[in-house]
This record gives sequence, C-alpha cells and structure tokens, in this order.
Amino acid sequence: EVQLLESGGGLVQPGGSLRLSCAASGFTFSSYAMSWVRQAPGKGLEWVSGISGSGGSTYYADSVKGRFTISRDNSKNTLYLQMNGLRDEDTAVYYCANWDWNYYWFDPWGQGTLVTVSS
Amino acid sequence: QSALTQPASVSGSPGQSITISCTGTSSDVGSYNFVSWYQQHPGKAPKLMICEVNKRPSGVSNRFSGSKSGNTASLTISGLQAEDEGHYYCCSYSGSSTLMLFGGGTKLTVL
Repeated sequence: EVQLLESGGGLVQPGGSLRLSCAASGFTFSSYAMSWVRQAPGKGLEWVSGISGSGGSTYYADSVKGRFTISRDNSKNTLYLQMNGLRDEDTAVYYCANWDWNYYWFDPWGQGTLVTVSS
Repeated sequence: QSALTQPASVSGSPGQSITISCTGTSSDVGSYNFVSWYQQHPGKAPKLMICEVNKRPSGVSNRFSGSKSGNTASLTISGLQAEDEGHYYCCSYSGSSTLMLFGGGTKLTVL
C-alpha cells in the first residue's frame, strides 16, 4: 500500500524558516515525481512545487519562487520542502502527493501537515 | 496565472445528476488534455476522481465522468449519493511558470 506521511509543520514567525518532510513507502520512490500542494484554512488547493524522480528537475509556483526549495533523498524515500522567508499568507496545510510526470495528476496524497505563520 | 474558475456551490437530490464546470483559458484547459478532478471531504486529503479530462482511476465509481469543450472542463456525477457530498477541485497543467493550476473549489450538497 502506498503511504505518504508528512511532518515538520508548526508555528513560525514571519520571516522564519521551516523544513517539511514527506516519508514515502509502498512504491519505488525514485521512479516517481512528487509535488507539494497547500491549502490555506477554509480555502482551495494551490500547487506549490514539484520535483522529478531523480531530483534533477524542480518546479515552483510564482508565489513561492526564490523562497521555497524542494528536494528529495531517494536513499531515504523522503521528500522535503525548505521554506524560508515565511509570510502570513503561507499559512496552510501542506500536502505531499505523487505527481504523474506525463499526465499531470496527483495521486495519492498524504494526510498533510499544518504550517502556521504568525507573530 | 489565475486560478481556474468553478462555481462556489452546487446541489442535487439523491439519484439526480449534477455537473460542475471548470473554466480556464486557451493557455491551460484549452491547450492540454491534462485536466484532473479531486474530491475532498472535511478534514481529509483530496482524492483523485478523474484524470486526463475523462479517465477514471481504478476504484472510482463509474457515476463520475469528465469532459472538456474549449476552455471549460466539466465533472458530472450521476445517481447522486449522500457520500458524494464534499468539495470538488479541478486542476490543469498550464505549461507556464506556475505549472499546475487549481480551481477555487465547488461545494457539493446532497439535499
């Protein structure tokens, strides 16, 4: 069974940093692209970033470009999101998801981790 | 890039059919057959219901179907059931700097 388990969320002050992790199991992690998608409280979904299976290609939404860095450690079956320069508007539940590289859909998704940016 | 446009809410009675629209532009929905739809229940992670405009992943009921015409994609749910209640989001590949765009979401209420 494919499982994705996010961790690392919490309360951080504006301007601060946080690193999220997503531990994957049940599939050959290195063969699949992955993405982070976030959801602000009571709001819709927003794609944040994606990375190829090898980690050689990375992609970012304009809203986080230059502040967030996606990476992966295929030896540990783990996806990361390093978030710097956090803003109030980055407050959201962050989901990791398997990202189909050819047809651009997300499945499955993890249960999410909450990031709150507040002073 | 702007988010895709969905109606805020739709409703229907058990057994009826409903359709949720998802309007983009000629740069995203209109240019690629990479539209997907997700169902989300309160407090839960989204679930893929339709991919590549009209394909159903294994395990998804055949009551769910997708289509596209021009810059607008649609999700149709037939034979509405109480368990279908929740939020639905469309998503499209955009080919621009923000690769993936989501709709604002539609709340489905089963009366």
